[in-house]
Amino acid sequence: DTGVSQDPRHKITKRGQNVTFRCDPISEHNRLYWYRQTLGQGPEFLTYFQNEAQLEKSRLLSDRFSAERPKGSFSTLEIQRTEQGDSAMYLCASSPRGGSGETQYFGPGTRLLVL
Amino acid sequence: GNSVTQMEGPVTLSEEAFLTINCTYTATGYPSLFWYVQYPGEGLQLLLKATKADDKGSNKGFEATYRKETTSFHLEKGSVQVSDSAVYFCALSDLRGTASKLTFGTGTRLQVTL
Repeated sequence: DTGVSQDPRHKITKRGQNVTFRCDPISEHNRLYWYRQTLGQGPEFLTYFQNEAQLEKSRLLSDRFSAERPKGSFSTLEIQRTEQGDSAMYLCASSPRGGSGETQYFGPGTRLLVL
Repeated sequence: GNSVTQMEGPVTLSEEAFLTINCTYTATGYPSLFWYVQYPGEGLQLLLKATKADDKGSNKGFEATYRKETTSFHLEKGSVQVSDSAVYFCALSDLRGTASKLTFGTGTRLQVTL
């Protein structure tokens, strides 16, 4: 069990550029979540995959954001035309199955700074 | 909607002091409750959880009891150490829709000094 990994760990970009983040979940986990955490706040839910299907998206996820999980393995989160308000830590988590008691395991996050 | 309210930090304690971090929640149905910890420079780690009323979660000397009547899940530790310095997040799971997504509080920073 190597844990959830995310790449890159840090990203600095200029406003208007596109960025893409990758998340590799724990291998046997079929559920994958993306969260966003801004300074001094708790993580906020963005979207969720079960296998390759994106089953829920938060209203926080504007049209500039898109997430994919081809083949139900790794996932990517792309932000188009970045804005300074997109600066945050983007967290990925995975869990083995559904249910309220299932633990979500978090990756180290990708910290995005939009200049 | 669902929400989690935590006491504001930072909480500053001397080593071996007793710790309480308050957490209350608002939710429909019967959520599961979690405490996550974030050490400096690291990702979120599950500290403990409770899935139904009156359950007590415990780990590394930390405890929290799911109190449905007061909608609370306060975190306690009898004797803190410097190594416990971190940010602690209370969270609940939300079964609406198809995802058991987590709703987090804003976090409470704990600083333990010698």
